[in-house]
Amino acid sequence: KNEVEQSPQNLTAQEGEFITINCSYSVGISALHWLQQHPGGGIVSLFMLSSGKKKHGRLIATINIQEKHSSLHITASHPRDSAVYICAPYKNNDMRFGAGTRLTVKP
Amino acid sequence: NAGVTQTPKFQVLKTGQSMTLQCAQDMNHNSMYWYRQDPGMGLRLIYYSASEGTTDKGEVPNGYNVSRLNKREFSLRLESAAPSQTSVYFCASRDSGLYGYTFGSGTRLTVV
Repeated sequence: KNEVEQSPQNLTAQEGEFITINCSYSVGISALHWLQQHPGGGIVSLFMLSSGKKKHGRLIATINIQEKHSSLHITASHPRDSAVYICAPYKNNDMRFGAGTRLTVKP
Repeated sequence: NAGVTQTPKFQVLKTGQSMTLQCAQDMNHNSMYWYRQDPGMGLRLIYYSASEGTTDKGEVPNGYNVSRLNKREFSLRLESAAPSQTSVYFCASRDSGLYGYTFGSGTRLTVV
C-alpha cells in the first residue's frame, strides 16, 4: 500500500465547477504540502499546512491530522487550473509525494 | 527573478558516462533537495542538504553523489549513468518553518 494515496487520479470538469481533490496518507507528519505541476513540467508550491484550513484566492486546502486526510478545493474552476495537483506529507526534511491528480477544466 | 536555477534542461548520456547537474538558489534558503520524477510515480527524494556543509541520503540515493558547494549551490553527480537513471530531475530549496518549497524547472535526462 502506498504511503500517500490521492483521488481521483484523473478529473475532468466544466469551467465554473467546484473541484475537490483528496489525499490520504499513512505516515505521521508535521505538515502537508500541496503542489501544482503545469503541463510544461514546472512545479509550484500552493500550500503547506499543519492544521485546519488555508485559503489563497480560489484555492482552499484543509487537513485533519488525526484522520490523516487532506483536501484541496478549487472554486469557480477555470481552464488555466488544468494541471497535475500533488500532495506531499512532510516530516523532518522528508516529503513523500502522491502520484498526483490530473485535472482538466474544459471551457 | 529570484528562484532556483537548474542546468542543463535536457541531456542525453550514454551508459557509463558521468555528468553533474547544477542547481543554484538566490533566496538564501538553508535547505536544498534533489528529486527524481518517473512516469506514474510521485517525486522521490535522492539527497538533501539541511544546511551548508551537510548532506543526507533520501529515498533513492544509489548511483548518485551530491555536493553542497556553498549556501547557494547544490550539485548532483552521476558517476556512471545507467538507463534506470533516465528521469526528470528537480532541485528545490526552502527556508525553515512552514514555508513551501521553490522548485527549479527540471532537467530531463535520458541514458541510452
